[in-house]
Amino acid sequence: GAVVSQHPSRVICKSGTSVKIECRSLDFQATTMFWYRQFPKQSLMLMATSNEGSKATYEQGVEKDKFLINHASLTLSTLTVTSAHPEDSSFYICSATAGAQPQHFGDGTRLSIL
Amino acid sequence: AQSVTQLDSQVPVFEEAPVELRCNYSSSVSVYLFWYVQYPNQGLQLLLKYLSGSTLVKGINGFEAEFNKSQTSFHLRKPSVHISDTAEYFCAVSQGGGSNYKLTFGKGTLLTVNP
Repeated sequence: GAVVSQHPSRVICKSGTSVKIECRSLDFQATTMFWYRQFPKQSLMLMATSNEGSKATYEQGVEKDKFLINHASLTLSTLTVTSAHPEDSSFYICSATAGAQPQHFGDGTRLSIL
Repeated sequence: AQSVTQLDSQVPVFEEAPVELRCNYSSSVSVYLFWYVQYPNQGLQLLLKYLSGSTLVKGINGFEAEFNKSQTSFHLRKPSVHISDTAEYFCAVSQGGGSNYKLTFGKGTLLTVNP
C-alpha cells in the first residue's frame, strides 16, 4: 500500500525555537496533504489542507503564522512550528492523498517543548 | 456539516471473543465512511472504507463493517479478536473519496483485548 514517511518521529526543544516536520509520500505523488494535531486520548484535529504549489488552507482557529506549511513538490510537505511554546506540545500527524485515493497517514511526530 | 459519534470510548474484551465498535454519523449529503486503527505512538492505518456498492465492507485483519443508511451507522465488527488488536479505532466520514475532501473523525474507541 501507499507509504507516507514523517520525520522526525520525536523532537524535544526549548521554548522559542522553531521546529520543522517533514511529510513525504514515498511511492505516489500526493496532490494534497493534510496536517493534523492530536491531543492525548483525543481525536485528530485537522489543522490545514495543503495542495502542491499553492498556499495551504487553514482551519478556523489555527494560526497560519504560527504553523507554516509548505508543499513545494508532489512528494513533500513541511510543517514549521515557529517560536514554539509548551502549549504547542502535541502529536502532529500528516496524511497524503491523490485523486480518488483515501488518505494515507504518516507515523506522527511527538513534539515536546520545554 | 458532518459529524461522527463513537458511542464507546473504551471497549474491553477477552481474546477470541467477538467485538463490535459502534459509529454513527450525521450529514446533509451523501458520505463516504472509513475506519482507521492507531497503535500507540503511531499514525493511522486504514482498516476499511465504504464508498458505494455493497453495504458490507471487508477490511484488513479480519475486520468488517456494515453501512446502514437508515440508521446512519457504520459499525465495525470482528468475530474473534486477538491481543494484537489492542489499539485505538477511529471512525471517519467525508463528503467525497478524493483528495479534495476533508475527513471528520470521531473521538475514537480504545479496544483492549485481554488474555
